[in-house]
Amino acid sequence: KNQVEQSPQSLIILEGKNCTLQCNYTVSPFSNLRWYKQDTGRGPVSLTIMTFSENTKSNGRYTATLDADTKQSSLHITASQLSDSASYICVVSARGTYKYIFGTGTRLKVLA
Amino acid sequence: ETGVTQTPRHLVMGMTNKKSLKCEQHLGHNAMYWYKQSAKKPLELMFVYSLEERVENNSVPSRFSPECPNSSHLFLHLHTLQPEDSALYLCASSQEPGTGGSYEQYFGPGTRLTVT
Repeated sequence: KNQVEQSPQSLIILEGKNCTLQCNYTVSPFSNLRWYKQDTGRGPVSLTIMTFSENTKSNGRYTATLDADTKQSSLHITASQLSDSASYICVVSARGTYKYIFGTGTRLKVLA
Repeated sequence: ETGVTQTPRHLVMGMTNKKSLKCEQHLGHNAMYWYKQSAKKPLELMFVYSLEERVENNSVPSRFSPECPNSSHLFLHLHTLQPEDSALYLCASSQEPGTGGSYEQYFGPGTRLTVT
């Protein structure tokens, strides 16, 4: 069964600190993995997208990693800001289909 | 975010009402999607249209009826909804996977629907 699991469910950190969010998936055949940021009541916005051959990709203070062998991904946020408070969703798509499998997300709260 | 627009942003309707949600994309994509997002649940794919034809229907109740008149517009017609249908309804668009595009989905801001 195609599944995407994320951990932790929620996380609270102080402004300026770093954090890492985890994503494990069982999706086959794998096409790509994306991380989205979703502010409350808004649509998700793409942060990174990685294909099978990519191990790491950065977007400003966001760095995503992918281990296709263990089917794990992480999203590292450096020097967090208050505006980073949001849900972060891991999405894996199966090759050649419209199947986008969404995780339940990690809710991050950054405190001043 | 402005590449995909949705109206209305908020909607309150009774169980006997009929209403429609509208989505418009300005990105030149040829696939469009409706998702339902309930609290503490992953996004649930409802419908997919590719090249204006419905290609996915994920066991959605018939009280939800999609319409895709052209590749830029997508509607979700609602009638006799239940309170458990209250959720954030998100529209997205992408290149059709078979055309070699990046397949990245771009989401609209969503419509917050409350059924009373």
